Amino acid sequence: NAGVTQTPKFRVLKTGQSMTLLCAQDMNHEYMYWYRQDPGMGLRLIHYSVGEGTTAKGEVPDGYNVSRLKKQNFLLGLESAAPSQTSVYFCASSYSGGRFEQYFGPGTRLTVT
Amino acid sequence: AQSVTQLDSQVPVFEEAPVELRCNYSSSVSVYLFWYVQYPNQGLQLLLKYLSGSTLVKGINGFEAEFNKSQTSFHLRKPSVHISDTAEYFCAVSKSFQKLVFGTGTRLLVSP
Repeated sequence: NAGVTQTPKFRVLKTGQSMTLLCAQDMNHEYMYWYRQDPGMGLRLIHYSVGEGTTAKGEVPDGYNVSRLKKQNFLLGLESAAPSQTSVYFCASSYSGGRFEQYFGPGTRLTVT
Repeated sequence: AQSVTQLDSQVPVFEEAPVELRCNYSSSVSVYLFWYVQYPNQGLQLLLKYLSGSTLVKGINGFEAEFNKSQTSFHLRKPSVHISDTAEYFCAVSKSFQKLVFGTGTRLLVSP
């Protein structure tokens, strides 16, 4: 079991460029999440999905889009990167919401110059 | 809306000393409470969780936490820390089938 994997691990973008972060899980989890982590701010939820083909906005969705075409994959897109999107991005998955543990990927460090 | 407060952004402690990391939450209904740990350059992993029942919860690596409903707290403790416990610790809260809300984290720095 690989658990939750994220690609790429590191990326540097110029302002205005676009990119897609890929998250994959092999635990057959229904729920998947994208967070960003910034110093002193903890983890903030960007978007999440409660099942294949469904997505919903989290706390800080502006500037990001997501897709969940397959149950095991959750993609996070930045259409026009801005320096404020410099952050570490974590993907997580869980069997369901509420009481169920979330399993995290190793993170993607994104720098936008 | 629920929220989580971790008052201490950083806690320095010597090896083999006891430690307590504080977490308070705000919610008017029953909640589920979690502590996650993040080692340097890694993702988060679950340390322990409170769902119901006994208010004292034991987790991995010798950590434990006590749920106090009257004080809306869920403080994390360890009687004797190791250098390897140096990490960032996040408290989180959720309700039934709802999303996790994380605190801002407490960095535990263990020195010899």
